[in-house]
Amino acid sequence: EAGVTQSPTHLIKTRGQQATLRCSPISGHTSVYWYQQALGLGLQFLLWYDEGEERNRGNFPPRFSGRQFPNYSSELNVNALELEDSALYLCASRGAFSPDNEQFFGPGTRLTVL
Amino acid sequence: QKEVEQNSGPLSVPEGAIASLNCTYSDRVSQSFFWYRQYSGKSPELIMSIYSNGDKEDGRFTAQLNKASQYVSLLIRDSQPSDSATYLCAVDRDNYGQNFVFGPGTRLSVLP
Repeated sequence: EAGVTQSPTHLIKTRGQQATLRCSPISGHTSVYWYQQALGLGLQFLLWYDEGEERNRGNFPPRFSGRQFPNYSSELNVNALELEDSALYLCASRGAFSPDNEQFFGPGTRLTVL
Repeated sequence: QKEVEQNSGPLSVPEGAIASLNCTYSDRVSQSFFWYRQYSGKSPELIMSIYSNGDKEDGRFTAQLNKASQYVSLLIRDSQPSDSATYLCAVDRDNYGQNFVFGPGTRLSVLP
């Protein structure tokens, strides 16, 4: 069974640009979570999508947005990039009927803002 | 008080010893608890989950949960240098996955 996949692996942008990150969940999983992990810091919850809807968002400005497609893959968009947006962005998926509510992570996208 | 707290470490143990990692949480209604391992520059990988008070064992790993004390721990027996990583404690506050909170992680170093 394939795990969570994310693309691209690395992304380099300059201040003010927009970044788009993509995530494909484990087959059969309907929930997708996005997290930001800045260097040396913990995981900060960004967004949760389930069945195509945004269900919850963390304490981030509106320039962080995303969507979930009918096939449950997801996209995270970051507009007007700032230097402090440089981080590892992690996507995790969870099954709708997962008995344990476990989240499984993808390999992440390393975003660097210059 | 932060929602999920862990000692940042580093926690250093000799190879073959038992490593004990601790986590406390503030929300009494939390139902689900998870331990993840994260190697430097990599994504977290799930080690195990625990829902009921007591111990849960999986190979060299044992998770312990005490809801009355709002405390969850992870024991790693026969620690190996390959266990050197950051261990993240996560708490699902409502058991539906929408309030998943991670602790800051404890860095473990197993010395050969």
